[in-house]
Amino acid sequence: NAGVTQTPKFRILKIGQSMTLQCTQDMNHNYMYWYRQDPGMGLKLIYYSVGAGITDKGEVPNGYNVSRSTTEDFPLRLELAAPSQTSVYFCASSWTANTGELFFGEGSRLTVL
Amino acid sequence: RKEVEQDPGPFNVPEGATVAFNCTYSNSASQSFFWYRQDCRKEPKLLMSVYSSGNEDGRFTAQLNRASQYISLLIRDSKLSDSATYLCVVNIGGTGGFKTIFGAGTRLFVKA
Repeated sequence: NAGVTQTPKFRILKIGQSMTLQCTQDMNHNYMYWYRQDPGMGLKLIYYSVGAGITDKGEVPNGYNVSRSTTEDFPLRLELAAPSQTSVYFCASSWTANTGELFFGEGSRLTVL
Repeated sequence: RKEVEQDPGPFNVPEGATVAFNCTYSNSASQSFFWYRQDCRKEPKLLMSVYSSGNEDGRFTAQLNRASQYISLLIRDSKLSDSATYLCVVNIGGTGGFKTIFGAGTRLFVKA
């Protein structure tokens, strides 16, 4: 059982480049999330989705876009990468909105130079 | 004031010690509470949920004090493998919307 799978694990981008972080889950969870984690800070929610075709902004959505065409996949796109987007990105999924366990992917370390 | 605050530590304790972490939250509408564990350069994983009546899982005990708006985690008989960062997580809201807030984490080092 793979759980939540993220790719790539590491990436270096130049300022202004774009890329997509892939996330897929095989647990049939409706809820999916993208977080970023900066050193010494709590995880910050970028975007979330409550089901296929439905996405909404989290706390720090600027500079990012998402889509949810299937239950399994929730890619995060960075347009015009900036150094402020250097971070560790975690995708997560859950059965319920606010009472259940969040299952995280292994993370994607992104550096923008 | 941060919505969820934790002592960042680090806590350095010898094996076998008892260590306690506290977490305070500011929003009285907070509904559910969790402790997650995050190993170095790994993803967070659920350690335990926190219930109003308090709950225990082996060497770990979690407690919630709604009146004072804090959550605690007690680890007894610490093991080397307990070395990690412990994240306090609070869910706020209900029907029509919710928000999950992560604390910045408390680092624990257990030494032989």
